[in-house]
Amino acid sequence: AQSVTQPDIHITVSEGASLELRCNYSYGATPYLFWYVQSPGQGLQLLLKYFSGDTLVQGIKGFEAEFKRSQSSFNLRKPSVHWSDAAEYFCAVGPYGGATNKLIFGTGTLLAVQP
Amino acid sequence: DAGVIQSPRHEVTEMGQEVTLRCKPISGHNSLFWYRQTMMRGLELLIYFNNNVPIDDSGMPEDRFSAKMPNASFSTLKIQPSEPRDSAVYFCASSSGQGTDTQYFGPGTRLTVL
Repeated sequence: AQSVTQPDIHITVSEGASLELRCNYSYGATPYLFWYVQSPGQGLQLLLKYFSGDTLVQGIKGFEAEFKRSQSSFNLRKPSVHWSDAAEYFCAVGPYGGATNKLIFGTGTLLAVQP
Repeated sequence: DAGVIQSPRHEVTEMGQEVTLRCKPISGHNSLFWYRQTMMRGLELLIYFNNNVPIDDSGMPEDRFSAKMPNASFSTLKIQPSEPRDSAVYFCASSSGQGTDTQYFGPGTRLTVL
């Protein structure tokens, strides 16, 4: 069955430190992969997406993610975290269920940034 | 360019009352999604429309929940009667419907059922 796992529920990093958020998926074919960010009280905003081609994807706000087929992973990275990056991050994979638009979302990773 | 618009942003109601949540998707998008977010269950897809037609409502928790999309620019999610366990943040999202395109989320409606 298709699924998405974000193993880290909560991560704390210091401002200026590097960041890596993990995402593993189970999918029968090459999936479409997404990372979204949710700031407190806000909706989800797309950071980046992978459909095909270059496995290193650049997104907004200085984030990047790398698709590794052999590891079924799509980890999100940022070289230097800013206090404004504190938010919840969701990995998503699709399509599933025979429909072309449905996504499965992970349970999210809550990022705290220490000064 | 306006994004997905949801109203109300906050709703507090008493158990047994009818609740209607509203969504205006991005103009030109032909897929619309309703999600529910809770601490316990995370982000769940409730129902998905394509070209105003419900495609998959398998995530709708029970008959108390219903959703409509009378035209391309408006959708409602109704809960009747509401129960305390329905308390959650409800998100609407839209996409262009071309393959698995990006879903754009609204700001959500925080529902509290007392």
